[in-house]
Amino acid sequence: NAGVMQNPRHLVRRRGQEARLRCSPMKGHSHVYWYRQLPEEGLKFMVYLQKENIIDESGMPKERFSAEFPKEGPSILRIQQVVRGDSAAYFCASSPDRAAETQYFGPGTRLLVL
Amino acid sequence: AQKITQTQPGMFVQEKEAVTLDCTYDTSDPSYGLFWYKQPSSGEMIFLIYQGSYDQQNATEGRYSLNFQKARKSANLVISASQLGDSAMYFCAMREANYGGATNKLIFGTGTLLAVQP
Repeated sequence: NAGVMQNPRHLVRRRGQEARLRCSPMKGHSHVYWYRQLPEEGLKFMVYLQKENIIDESGMPKERFSAEFPKEGPSILRIQQVVRGDSAAYFCASSPDRAAETQYFGPGTRLLVL
Repeated sequence: AQKITQTQPGMFVQEKEAVTLDCTYDTSDPSYGLFWYKQPSSGEMIFLIYQGSYDQQNATEGRYSLNFQKARKSANLVISASQLGDSAMYFCAMREANYGGATNKLIFGTGTLLAVQP
């Protein structure tokens, strides 16, 4: 029973490039959450998605960041024109439904912007 | 506003001893959930234990127990019989009740780095 999968595990980008982070939720889970962990900090909520819907994007930066969770395939967090301040660990979590008690996290993607 | 506070940036504990990691929270919602996650040096986030605000008994999962004191708004994690593999960062988190279209997001504290000494 595979857990939450994220790829790539590590991503290096130059300033101005695009970063695409992928998340495949646990089997049977249709709710996905993205969190960002800056160095030496706790996780901060970014966005909450259900299949084909964005439920809550209150934690997303207003520019350059977008997220989707299509009917088929993984959830994608996209960062356009990356800057050094985007360097962080990006975690995806999933739950089977909105009422689920627990979110299960993936291993994270470490993004380094040079 | 919802807030989680972990006042211990780091803790030492001797192997086989018990340790308590502090967590206090602030919320105006009567219904909420409290979580503890472990983040080892490898970086993944591992779910440890959950406590619902209406649960009558403190949650326990193996060597982990949650000392839930609702009036004091505290949810301390107790690890009994510490092992070297317990060395990690520990995060306390809260989720407010989900009414209708309300979000399901977790609010995290800043974490406590636990070092277990042989």
